[in-house]
Amino acid sequence: DTGVSQDPRHKITKRGQNVTFRCDPISEHNRLYWYRQTLGQGPEFLTYFQNEAQLEKSRLLSDRFSAERPKGSFSTLEIQRTEQGDSAMYLCASSLPEGGVEKLFFGSGTQLSVL
Amino acid sequence: AQSVAQPEDQVNVAEGNPLTVKCTYSVSGNPYLFWYVQYPNRGLQFLLKYITGDNLVKGSYGFEAEFNKSQTSFHLKKPSALVSDSALYFCAVRERSGGYNKLIFGAGTRLAVHP
Repeated sequence: DTGVSQDPRHKITKRGQNVTFRCDPISEHNRLYWYRQTLGQGPEFLTYFQNEAQLEKSRLLSDRFSAERPKGSFSTLEIQRTEQGDSAMYLCASSLPEGGVEKLFFGSGTQLSVL
Repeated sequence: AQSVAQPEDQVNVAEGNPLTVKCTYSVSGNPYLFWYVQYPNRGLQFLLKYITGDNLVKGSYGFEAEFNKSQTSFHLKKPSALVSDSALYFCAVRERSGGYNKLIFGAGTRLAVHP
């Protein structure tokens, strides 16, 4: 499979616990994005990496959220002290600039449920 | 602030009939517009984009979209719907700053194609 992979597909946790999600982008893609999607809404931008550099973080990302992309390959998104409002689908996408406005390739997402 | 609106939560169409999924946008300057489709348990898939040039953009799976600057619209169309087109469709606009795909998505329109 040469698409974007996300792990786990589903995560159920109790409020206050920490969770970490992983995203493996398409191998040659140097751009990586995290989006969050809640029920009945479109995805919302969270953060963007170019190679290993995190170049933008949305104000949606509180201090409890941290994302990394060591070595410019896979990325992790960690949520500390989860809250019920964190329940959502977390989507990862990657892209490769093609000299214009590139398209994003999305993974299937990680569905987080905070009880 | 840039935004997109999808005025219909759901569109119902009979198989073989033409379909239209509506999208209007609000941006300053020239927009970069996208359509993505989301099938159950799968990530968003790119359908098409408008950057500049011809107002009629052709995309994947026989879909096309018409950019109308005076009406600030970017409606998705297909001449003959298939049952397999049933999915959730998202319109998106790219933020102008940064030069990367920080997309602002609409809330989505569920397309149901009936046999």
